[in-house]
Amino acid sequence: DTAVSQTPKYLVTQMGNDKSIKCEQNLGHDTMYWYKQDSKKFLKIMFSYNNKELIINETVPNRFSPKSPDKAHLNLHINSLELGDSAVYFCASSLSTSSLSYYEQYFGPGTRLTVT
Amino acid sequence: GQSLEQPSEVTAVEGAIVQINCTYQTSGFYGLSWYQQHDGGAPTFLSYNGLDGLEETGRFSSFLSRSDSYGYLLLQELQMKDSASYFCAEKDSSYKLIFGSGTRLLVRP
Repeated sequence: DTAVSQTPKYLVTQMGNDKSIKCEQNLGHDTMYWYKQDSKKFLKIMFSYNNKELIINETVPNRFSPKSPDKAHLNLHINSLELGDSAVYFCASSLSTSSLSYYEQYFGPGTRLTVT
Repeated sequence: GQSLEQPSEVTAVEGAIVQINCTYQTSGFYGLSWYQQHDGGAPTFLSYNGLDGLEETGRFSSFLSRSDSYGYLLLQELQMKDSASYFCAEKDSSYKLIFGSGTRLLVRP
């Protein structure tokens, strides 16, 4: 059974398009995250939700909008895609917002977004 | 704020022991965790140190010294499959896990 799944795995699109990435976890975790990993493998948090409520909103362009319909799902919608959005986007989850839980996060397989 | 420093690359021979260091500068420290990421794969949690000392999990151990603002990941009996990137990470005062820039480990036969 896949713990954290993301779709699609690869996404190739043109500048200006709008795209969505979906994430689901079947671990029963309360907290979910979106990370962006650039070409230098630097991993940076973008958003975090706890029980469908937004708790982290890093300084990302407002073209990025997360949505959590329930605590098992966290989607990421990106409007007006730009070349600089090309990266690997990872969804992750952790048990809760307790301090110890934050350190042990479970990552999805990633979505490699290429904007041309 | 938070910053973590790791060597960018480490090379070792199969069967050897390698240590990957991580130093941090933070205004508030809650512990250090380590993740492994193979090329094309997802980060995978390896270990967590909340207190000073050594935590052992099979061939991997992780160490923390709060007084030195320093930790390391120790990999023993290296195998080719250990070739990957290794990230240290710490939690800041909010709900964020901050990752180091990663150390690429290359295991040679």
